[in-house]
Amino acid sequence: NAGVTQTPKFQVLKTGQSMTLQCAQDMNHNSMYWYRQDPGMGLRLIYYSASEGTTDKGEVPNGYNVSRLNKREFSLRLESAAPSQTSVYFCASKIDRVRDNQPQHFGDGTRLSIL
Amino acid sequence: QKEVEQDPGPLSVPEGAIVSLNCTYSNSAFQYFMWYRQYSRKGPELLMYTYSSGNKEDGRFTAQVDKSSKYISLFIRDSQPSDSATYLCAMNESGGSYIPTFGRGTSLIVHP
Repeated sequence: NAGVTQTPKFQVLKTGQSMTLQCAQDMNHNSMYWYRQDPGMGLRLIYYSASEGTTDKGEVPNGYNVSRLNKREFSLRLESAAPSQTSVYFCASKIDRVRDNQPQHFGDGTRLSIL
Repeated sequence: QKEVEQDPGPLSVPEGAIVSLNCTYSNSAFQYFMWYRQYSRKGPELLMYTYSSGNKEDGRFTAQVDKSSKYISLFIRDSQPSDSATYLCAMNESGGSYIPTFGRGTSLIVHP
């Protein structure tokens, strides 16, 4: 019973390099989310996908792109990494967008350092 | 000012103490209130969920919502060292964007 799986768990990049963070869920959820978590800032939404085939910007989308590859997978891409993107990235899923009484389920994060 | 305010702590208590964690919010449209627990180097996991005002109890944990004061609380009775974690409150409207708004989290340390 894996839930939400994120790969890789850790990564170090140099400024200007590109990288794709992978997320997969096995709970047959429709909605998926990408957050970043920084000290003192809490969780901030980068992008989300309410259902397969749709994506929308969140609070801090600049410098990122996403792809909802299929119902299970939602990837986050950094085209040209910057030191300000050093953070812990969490993927989450939810059964669907409109059921308010269903919580989000989170992966264990990708720790990304950009030098 | 963020929509959801939460003291980051750390809050340090002895084992067995009653812990009170709190969040205040400004958006009166929030209807669903959640508490997540996050252990170090792990993702947040849902601990408690409540709808509208009132109390909800689950073992040693009690969630309380006071919508008139825009204030929510999580109480932990007989706290244990294993309760040491960061606790995040989250809330969302009924309808609207359906995206929860998170507090910044409170770090709790329960020492033996």
